[in-house]
Amino acid sequence: ETGVTQTPRHLVMGMTNKKSLKCEQHLGHNAMYWYKQSAKKPLELMFVYNFKEQTENNSVPSRFSPECPNSSHLFLHLHTLQPEDSALYLCASSLVLAANTEAFFGQGTRLTVV
Amino acid sequence: AQTVTQSQPEMSVQEAETVTLSCTYDTSESDYYLFWYKQPPSRQMILVIRQEAYKQQNATENRFSVNFQKAAKSFSLKISDSQLGDAAMYFCAYRSTYYGGATNKLIFGTGTLLAVQP
Repeated sequence: ETGVTQTPRHLVMGMTNKKSLKCEQHLGHNAMYWYKQSAKKPLELMFVYNFKEQTENNSVPSRFSPECPNSSHLFLHLHTLQPEDSALYLCASSLVLAANTEAFFGQGTRLTVV
Repeated sequence: AQTVTQSQPEMSVQEAETVTLSCTYDTSESDYYLFWYKQPPSRQMILVIRQEAYKQQNATENRFSVNFQKAAKSFSLKISDSQLGDAAMYFCAYRSTYYGGATNKLIFGTGTLLAVQP
């Protein structure tokens, strides 16, 4: 366990559904991230939050909506997804302004869009 | 923009042998950090080793060591005395030290899947 917990571990949803992914850390970190991991592609950074403020949106479609109510929790709200959105979604956390420190990752949510 | 390239999609090694995973990167920055992460079948990414660009000495963590060639922008990972538990996907990652956007983001390569044969 790295201290970053993601729920659910697996999710199957239809293209018209609305669901949310949750990420939680109690490591005292102040930066949180969403990454998308697809087969044979680099991990794609989706969103970055520093001190609860979104600092990066990497041209992510609006059908993905992040929310960071506090430094310990991060959500990814999903609606009207496409089959190509099926992937492993990883949450990570780290300390802001500490590039030498590692980012800690959750176990990911395996999302399948049908 | 920075990029990270891992040219070996898959590698295989015999137990107790040594294997080297390759990573190259592209950046115009002079100060940065490089990381190797391991992702076992459990999917949780864990840090294996890190290297600071301004340190010429190669980082070492037990059986894991790196060969950092800053001029060549190369950062390979050597695993000595390979064990069955080393089987995983290995990702090379880059992180800038410049905080203009204060994003601290990690930029990853495509990964190398390492199999360890008994």
